[in-house]
Amino acid sequence: DVKVTQSSRYLVKRTGEKVFLECVQDMDHENMFWYRQDPGLGLRLIYFSYDVKMKEKGDIPEGYSVSREKKERFSLILESASTNQTSMYLCASREGSSNQPQHFGDGTRLSIL
Amino acid sequence: EDQVTQSPEALRLQEGESSSLNCSYTVSGLRGLFWYRQDPGKGPEFLFTLYSAGEEKEKERLKATLTKKESFLHITAPKPEDSATYLCAVCYGGATNKLIFGTGTLLAVQP
Repeated sequence: DVKVTQSSRYLVKRTGEKVFLECVQDMDHENMFWYRQDPGLGLRLIYFSYDVKMKEKGDIPEGYSVSREKKERFSLILESASTNQTSMYLCASREGSSNQPQHFGDGTRLSIL
Repeated sequence: EDQVTQSPEALRLQEGESSSLNCSYTVSGLRGLFWYRQDPGKGPEFLFTLYSAGEEKEKERLKATLTKKESFLHITAPKPEDSATYLCAVCYGGATNKLIFGTGTLLAVQP
């Protein structure tokens, strides 16, 4: 079974802080994704990566950056946290082509005060 | 506009009362439709992939079907442990493949 592990289940930070969310997958998948999930809005793609050191913007990249230095690890960075970034953040990985399913971690519930 | 719509938003069933959840889509070039189950405070758990109209997949009390415009997730004789939010997602497009998630159906099965 695919395992995607997110480093924190719950995180509380202050406005203006730089925040790091970490994600690790154990299936040697090329593709990794970061989403945020908000009530009534569903899952929205922030960034994705199709290879080490490669990244592509998703639908809502503003205020975020990412890092993928190793194949198994994909980090999401909030450069200067703001209250509107309070959300559930989900990491996913996927093998091969886009018509394969993504596999998700258990999420990080991030609160920005 | 490319869109994925799930209905109903919420559904309450008695244990053993079968029903169906709907995922309708308006996209060009469907490449795959995915169903997920999400428990409160957890990430989505993959259930099924459907690739072409007429295809069906089954797992325990769940059966997913696909037409050219929609997919159904049929739940037969549900149990309380089937309570969760069910999400569908559609992969579509040609050179630049996209994935859109619906907002989900919250299913509650009462004993």
